[in-house]
Amino acid sequence: GQNIDQPTEMTATEGAIVQINCTYQTSGFNGLFWYQQHAGEAPTFLSYNVLDGLEEKGRFSSFLSRSKGYSYLLLKELQMKDSASYLCAVSPTDKLIFGTGTRLQVFP
Amino acid sequence: DSGVTQTPKHLITATGQRVTLRCSPRSGDLSVYWYQQSLDQGLQFLIQYYNGEERAKGNILERFSAQQFPDLHSELNLSSLELGDSALYFCASSVEGYGTDTQYFGPGTRLTVL
Repeated sequence: GQNIDQPTEMTATEGAIVQINCTYQTSGFNGLFWYQQHAGEAPTFLSYNVLDGLEEKGRFSSFLSRSKGYSYLLLKELQMKDSASYLCAVSPTDKLIFGTGTRLQVFP
Repeated sequence: DSGVTQTPKHLITATGQRVTLRCSPRSGDLSVYWYQQSLDQGLQFLIQYYNGEERAKGNILERFSAQQFPDLHSELNLSSLELGDSALYFCASSVEGYGTDTQYFGPGTRLTVL
C-alpha cells in the first residue's frame, strides 16, 4: 500500500528554525513534493526532490533520503506568515499521494 | 496566482442534486487533476486527464464523473449529492502529466451540501 506520515501539528517562535519531517512507503517513486497551504486556500508549490540530498531555496530547504523513505522541510527565520499547513506528497506513478499535512503555528 | 482558474468559488446546494465544477489549466499545460479536501482530511486524488484522455483514477465515487474538453478545460460532475460530499474541490494542472511534473493548483470550489 501507499503511506505518508507527517506530524499533525507543530509550533515555533518567530525568527526560529523548524524542521517538518515526512516518512513514506510507496510502491514506486518519481519524486517528493512539498506544498504550503493556508487555511481555505490553494496549495502552493515549495520544493521537489528526486535525488538524495538537500535542496535550498531561500529560507526553505528540503532534504530527501530515498533509502530511508524520509524527507524533511526546513524553514529558517520564521515569519508570522509561515503559519500554514505543509503538505508532503509522493508520486509513485503519475499521480500524487498527499500526507494529511502538518499544521505549523508561528508565535511572536 | 498559479494561472489555474476554477468556477464557481462557492456552491451551496441540497442533497440529491447535481452540480458541475469547472477548471481551466495554466496556458500550455496538457494535464488536469481533480482533488477533494474535506475538513481534517488530506487532499484526496480523484482523477487525472491528459490531453482529453483519462490517465489515472483515484478514489472517485461512481456518482462523480469528469471530462477534459478539446480546449483542455475540465469539468467535474457530482450527482446524487450527499452531506458528506461537502468539501473543497481543487483542480491542478501540469505540463505533461508525469509524476515528475509540478502540479499547480487552482483556488478551489467550496461545495456545501445542505
